Amino acid sequence: DVKVTQSSRYLVKRTGEKVFLECVQDMDHENMFWYRQDPGLGLRLIYFSYDVKMKEKGDIPEGYSVSREKKERFSLILESASTNQTSMYLCASSNHLRGQETQYFGPGTRLLVL
Amino acid sequence: AQSVTQLGSHVSVSEGALVLLRCNYSSSVPPYLFWYVQYPNQGLQLLLKYTTGATLVKGINGFEAEFKKSETSFHLTKPSAHMSDAAEYFCAASGGSYIPTFGRGTSLIVHP
Repeated sequence: DVKVTQSSRYLVKRTGEKVFLECVQDMDHENMFWYRQDPGLGLRLIYFSYDVKMKEKGDIPEGYSVSREKKERFSLILESASTNQTSMYLCASSNHLRGQETQYFGPGTRLLVL
Repeated sequence: AQSVTQLGSHVSVSEGALVLLRCNYSSSVPPYLFWYVQYPNQGLQLLLKYTTGATLVKGINGFEAEFKKSETSFHLTKPSAHMSDAAEYFCAASGGSYIPTFGRGTSLIVHP
């Protein structure tokens, strides 16, 4: 079974803190994604990566950065957390950059910024 | 660019009743279409997907969906709802772009 794990299920941070969200997949997938999920807005893509050290902006990259130093690990960084970044963050991976590939999701990290 | 519309943010059914969750997409190219399910406090998991071939796709847990090109639809159905089907359901589409576009989700509520 494909497994995507995220470093924390719940996280509470203060405004202005630097926040790291980690994601690890164990299926040697090429592609990894970070989404933000908010009620009524569905999933919105923040960043994705199709190879080590490669990254592309998604629909809402402002206020976020990413890092992919190893194939299995994709990190999302909030340089200076703000209250409007309180949300559920979902990581996903997929095998090839083709439209028909299934995405495999982690359990999510619920982030609260105070 | 793709867009995916899920009609109804909430759908409520009685246990044993038909489940119908609607999804329409807009695309200038033949799409790949997906339904994902999210149970409370979990990530999304694939229910079923359409890539090519048979337009009626069967998935896990008794769900199925039919790709109707003329209607640009991919509605999800299940003949008889079970309490365990209560979850958030997301339709997604990809085509010219390799990155899928997700709908806003439909919360399925199942009453005893």
